[in-house]
Amino acid sequence: DTGVSQDPRHKITKRGQNVTFRCDPISEHNRLYWYRQTLGQGPEFLTYFQNEAQLEKSRLLSDRFSAERPKGSFSTLEIQRTEQGDSAMYLCASTFVSGNTEAFFGQGTRLTVV
Amino acid sequence: LAKTTQPISMDSYEGQEVNITCSHNNIATNDYITWYQQFPSQGPRFIIQGYKTKVTNEVASLFIPADRKSSTLSLPRVSLSDTAVYYCLVGDGGNYGGSQGNLIFGKGTKLSVKP
Repeated sequence: DTGVSQDPRHKITKRGQNVTFRCDPISEHNRLYWYRQTLGQGPEFLTYFQNEAQLEKSRLLSDRFSAERPKGSFSTLEIQRTEQGDSAMYLCASTFVSGNTEAFFGQGTRLTVV
Repeated sequence: LAKTTQPISMDSYEGQEVNITCSHNNIATNDYITWYQQFPSQGPRFIIQGYKTKVTNEVASLFIPADRKSSTLSLPRVSLSDTAVYYCLVGDGGNYGGSQGNLIFGKGTKLSVKP
């Protein structure tokens, strides 16, 4: 296993289009996080899953954003009707909940909305 | 969730020891303290984690005083490649039934190492 994998690495889309990102966590990890990061800011929490259950969703996450983790393995993050303000790096992380907070991050998907 | 406060930026020179302090006055009994490093255009990378006293691994040391209201990440003999943003996080990873399953990042400390 080579770690957390995200696809695509880069995405350019026109405003108003829908986009979907995929995250493949480390295989035995049961917790998966999604973050958004803009230039000069720390990663901003969006949502996280424990197995297939979505346990928490940020209040900042508008209804245009949806995430799934159907079988408790890979996850997808969809943004509908993209806006220029959605341009950011989208990061995925996974961990095996065992009393610590060491999460493994992917390389991210950089979204540019034009 | 315990809020953390770190310096926005720090400068250092190659070969020096760098200490970055993080304040977390409202840390809870079950909370761990975790530090991440992030290079541009990459995801954060776990550096070290501790609960109390001192923890050391191959890249850093973490000092936590008895009251646990602060912690200090120590990087020995930094090199140019240590130039990055360092984040301090506090939480229990959601293992105790509370609403702390999310990992909350602040703005971090931008460390610049000069030759």
